[in-house]
Amino acid sequence: KNQVEQSPQSLIILEGKNCTLQCNYTVSPFSNLRWYKQDTGRGPVSLTIMTFSENTKSNGRYTATLDADTKQSSLHITASQLSDSASYICVVSDRGSTLGRLYFGRGTQLTVWP
Amino acid sequence: EADIYQTPRYLVIGTGKKITLECSQTMGHDKMYWYQQDPGMELHLIHYSYGVNSTEKGDLSSESTVSRIRTEHFPLTLESARPSHTSQYLCASSEARASTGELFFGEGSRLTVL
Repeated sequence: KNQVEQSPQSLIILEGKNCTLQCNYTVSPFSNLRWYKQDTGRGPVSLTIMTFSENTKSNGRYTATLDADTKQSSLHITASQLSDSASYICVVSDRGSTLGRLYFGRGTQLTVWP
Repeated sequence: EADIYQTPRYLVIGTGKKITLECSQTMGHDKMYWYQQDPGMELHLIHYSYGVNSTEKGDLSSESTVSRIRTEHFPLTLESARPSHTSQYLCASSEARASTGELFFGEGSRLTVL
């Protein structure tokens, strides 16, 4: 069964600190993996998208890594800011059909305290 | 910033009422999608469209219906709302298939049925 599991479910850190969010997936055959940021009451916004051949991609203070062999990804946030408080969602797509499917994780709720 | 808009942002209605959630995009995307999201849970695809006069049901069974008469417009309708329909509804669009292309989300419509 294709699944996307994220950990931790929630995380609280102090402003200025770094943190790493995890995503494990069982989706096969793999097409790409995305990380989205979703502020409370808003729609998700794309941070990064990585294909099989990419193992690192950065977007400002956000750096995503992908290990396609172990089917794991991480999102590292450097020098956190209060505005980083949000839910971070890992999404994996397959290429097993002409339709293609997206599999969503439940997200990690990050809270940054001053 | 994505040019995709949803109205209303918040709606509280009584059981049995008919409601329509509006979604419009100005990016000229052929592909549009409706997702349902409950707190702390993953997004579930309920409807999608690959172009004008093309609509399909998604993975999650839904009593809602959609139409695609114009490229830019993809409204979702509930003929008779029930408390079980209380949820966040997210509209999205993409130039290519969602599994390969960038997916842009609207801000969401939070529906509460009393």
